[in-house]
Amino acid sequence: LAKTTQPISMDSYEGQEVNITCSHNNIATNDYITWYQQFPSQGPRFIIQGYKTKVTNEVASLFIPADRKSSTLSLPRVSLSDTAVYYCLVGENPRIKAAGNKLTFGGGTRVLVKP
Amino acid sequence: DTGVSQDPRHKITKRGQNVTFRCDPISEHNRLYWYRQTLGQGPEFLTYFQNEAQLEKSRLLSDRFSAERPKGSFSTLEIQRTEQGDSAMYLCASSSDNKAAGYAGELFFGEGSRLTVL
Repeated sequence: LAKTTQPISMDSYEGQEVNITCSHNNIATNDYITWYQQFPSQGPRFIIQGYKTKVTNEVASLFIPADRKSSTLSLPRVSLSDTAVYYCLVGENPRIKAAGNKLTFGGGTRVLVKP
Repeated sequence: DTGVSQDPRHKITKRGQNVTFRCDPISEHNRLYWYRQTLGQGPEFLTYFQNEAQLEKSRLLSDRFSAERPKGSFSTLEIQRTEQGDSAMYLCASSSDNKAAGYAGELFFGEGSRLTVL
């Protein structure tokens, strides 16, 4: 299982861009990178998923370098409501393989957005 | 609201009692998962169902824990003879492998059932 390492916490201010980098040095060829967001007293919520290069959706961008040993979640122009814990997960394509037991959440990165 | 509902949202019980949690997944999802989360930690996988079949169980799932998904729809997680160490948030998630429907296999989590064992 590819282990992930991400910062424990990050502070930012409203309107700024937040970049969270996740290291996954032993990522396997079939592994995808997925990010989830979790607010207090709620379940995690899927943000974005990618395999290589760059993926963008209405919420965030995911940058994955060629060696795929790390990835960076970018949150543009954060607001107070983006204060949450962000989890980086690595596992086989979840659409093809129900990798529930391989989705290891880890401790996540606590992002605090200040006014 | 993700469409996954869990009941009850909160449960306080005394040590040694049995508790049961229910999860209603998104109706067209064939996969259902149970996770446990303690304060300050990420969710930990407990078990996984593909339709009504329980295909994966974590070593965290002791003999006191049992999960069912009898008709491939809702699921229950029962904890017998609860211990204080069972106090946690129990999260249910569902997913679909149907790409034609726009799914990428991502997990849709419910809001969880918080268990406090006194």
